Amino acid sequence: GEDVEQSLFLSVREGDSSVINCTYTDSSSTYLYWYKQEPGAGLQLLTYIFSNMDMKQDQRLTVLLNKKDKHLSLRIADTQTGDSAIYFCAESMRNTDKLIFGTGTRLQVFP
Amino acid sequence: DAGITQSPRYKITETGRQVTLMCHQTWSHSYMFWYRQDLGHGLRLIYYSAAADITDKGEVSDGYVVSRSKTENFPLTLESATRSQTSVYFCASSDGGTGNSPLHFGNGTRLTVT
Repeated sequence: GEDVEQSLFLSVREGDSSVINCTYTDSSSTYLYWYKQEPGAGLQLLTYIFSNMDMKQDQRLTVLLNKKDKHLSLRIADTQTGDSAIYFCAESMRNTDKLIFGTGTRLQVFP
Repeated sequence: DAGITQSPRYKITETGRQVTLMCHQTWSHSYMFWYRQDLGHGLRLIYYSAAADITDKGEVSDGYVVSRSKTENFPLTLESATRSQTSVYFCASSDGGTGNSPLHFGNGTRLTVT
């Protein structure tokens, strides 16, 4: 079945690294995404990774994909208060037009 | 300005009433989607559309109706609102299937059913 899971909350100190984890169940996923939602707004795409990649780095963001364990993570280096938001992972299903979202992880950054 | 616009931003309605949430995009994206966001459930797909006059059900489509007579508009109608439909509704669009075409989201409509 289709199920994407994340822990609900993460709290980190400003300047530390944040790691947000996600597990998914469909091994046929072609792309996996990370979206960010700030208060009162819609979701914005942060980054994505193709399923044949293990890692993708984009400035402060590092995405790691472990296909064997169906585990996706997002690392934010030097976390800032502006990074406080809800982060959603999502998987695209092969041969469909659907994107399945996780439950979202609320990241709180404190000084 | 180009973008995706949802209206209204907030809506309060009574149980049993019909209510329509509007979504308009200016990119001429072929795909449009409706999601609802609820605590503990993340985003769940209600309906999506690959092109004008083509719509498909998502995982939580019961009680909802959509239409896509024009590429740029994708209204969502609750035929007889229930309290369980109290939620934040997001419309999104993309220029391809969800493979490597990111979704662009509106700012959401917060609907309360009393």
